[in-house]
Amino acid sequence: GAVVSQHPSWVICKSGTSVKIECRSLDFQATTMFWYRQFPKQSLMLMATSNEGSKATYEQGVEKDKFLINHASLTLSTLTVTSAHPEDSSFYICSVEVGEAQPQHFGDGTRLSIL
Amino acid sequence: GDSVTQMEGPVTLSEEAFLTINCTYTATGYPSLFWYVQYPGEGLQLLLKATKADDKGSNKGFEATYRKETTSFHLEKGSVQVSDSAVYFCALGGKSSASKIIFGSGTRLSIRP
Repeated sequence: GAVVSQHPSWVICKSGTSVKIECRSLDFQATTMFWYRQFPKQSLMLMATSNEGSKATYEQGVEKDKFLINHASLTLSTLTVTSAHPEDSSFYICSVEVGEAQPQHFGDGTRLSIL
Repeated sequence: GDSVTQMEGPVTLSEEAFLTINCTYTATGYPSLFWYVQYPGEGLQLLLKATKADDKGSNKGFEATYRKETTSFHLEKGSVQVSDSAVYFCALGGKSSASKIIFGSGTRLSIRP
């Protein structure tokens, strides 16, 4: 099955910093990737759908200027949290669409801590 | 809209006990149903799935049957192990992996030796 790699796995930074998280599909060309956010002891909430070569589709309530998504190639999507603040601290997980009638494959997640 | 409701945790069991984690769903049409597992500090792994009514998904001793009449997809395992300690998410989605997945709130399972 598709292998999805996220980098970094853990990042700690100061408030006001912008942080970029990468999601790579290692053995599959992914037209569509998904970004989720998970608060401690809560479920995953879809933030946006990343489409290769076009703009991402954001879920209601997600600030597109805050969470910038770029899907420039079939193997890489990036999520940039701009001017991060402590309330942005969370676990961010990406997933990859791998084909018809197949479930999404998830990365191992990135734990973001903003001081 | 579509939604998933699963039993709240945490659930604590002794090793070799029988496990049931309840999951019910609300959806238009005929979604695919999934159970995902998340081990500490890791992302999600697909545990099992079912794509139509009466299908039974199974993996690593876990089973779940897609019950359309009761809109349920309960997760069961006959004899749990310490290594099964994790958070389990019930989820629904469309037939294509391009479809949005809606997750339940997750159930934390702890197994005592």
